[in-house]
Amino acid sequence: KQEVTQIPAALSVPEGENLVLNCSFTDSAIYNLQWFRQDPGKGLTSLLLIQSSQREQTSGRLNASLDKSSGRSTLYIAASQPGDSATYLCAVSGNQFYFGTGTSLTVIP
Amino acid sequence: GAGVSQSPSNKVTEKGKDVELRCDPISGHTALYWYRQRLGQGLEFLIYFQGNSAPDKSGLPSDRFSAERTGESVSTLTIQRTQQEDSAVYLCASSLLLAGGGGTDTQYFGPGTRLTVL
Repeated sequence: KQEVTQIPAALSVPEGENLVLNCSFTDSAIYNLQWFRQDPGKGLTSLLLIQSSQREQTSGRLNASLDKSSGRSTLYIAASQPGDSATYLCAVSGNQFYFGTGTSLTVIP
Repeated sequence: GAGVSQSPSNKVTEKGKDVELRCDPISGHTALYWYRQRLGQGLEFLIYFQGNSAPDKSGLPSDRFSAERTGESVSTLTIQRTQQEDSAVYLCASSLLLAGGGGTDTQYFGPGTRLTVL
């Protein structure tokens, strides 16, 4: 069974710092990997989708990479802002969909 | 255009009662998913509808849970004889299926239904 792990579970950084969130998965037979953001009491917002044939995707201050062979993905957030504070989830798509438990990010003004 | 909508947004019920949760996907999205998120825990996959194929029900936790989808439109998740352990936020998502069996495109999530079983 696919297992998705996110490290760290929680992260607190000062505003303006660059940071990296990590996601690892045990089965490399995936169709794609997706990063989401979840704000308290709200649904999920899709941030980036990386197809299995791709290495990375960029959107604004966000950059996500995928190394399928090693079962790893990273989400890079540049010049962090207090509005980036949220829980970040990664999910891999194979025959089913598997989510990590998330990284809770706090950006301190 | 309109996103994924879910109703009700909140549902409080008594143990043993049946509940029905509704999801309206984005128009044209052939794939629809249901997830559950218990307080403080990660998302748990429940069921996946993919076009006209048989749904993937492997995530349903017990036979008290069932879901239906008519064509490529509305889906309902039904929980019979609710238990306190069913209390959670139930999330629905929809997406397009990629051609050639290459999986799915970006999932768009609804706001969820918060279910509380007393």
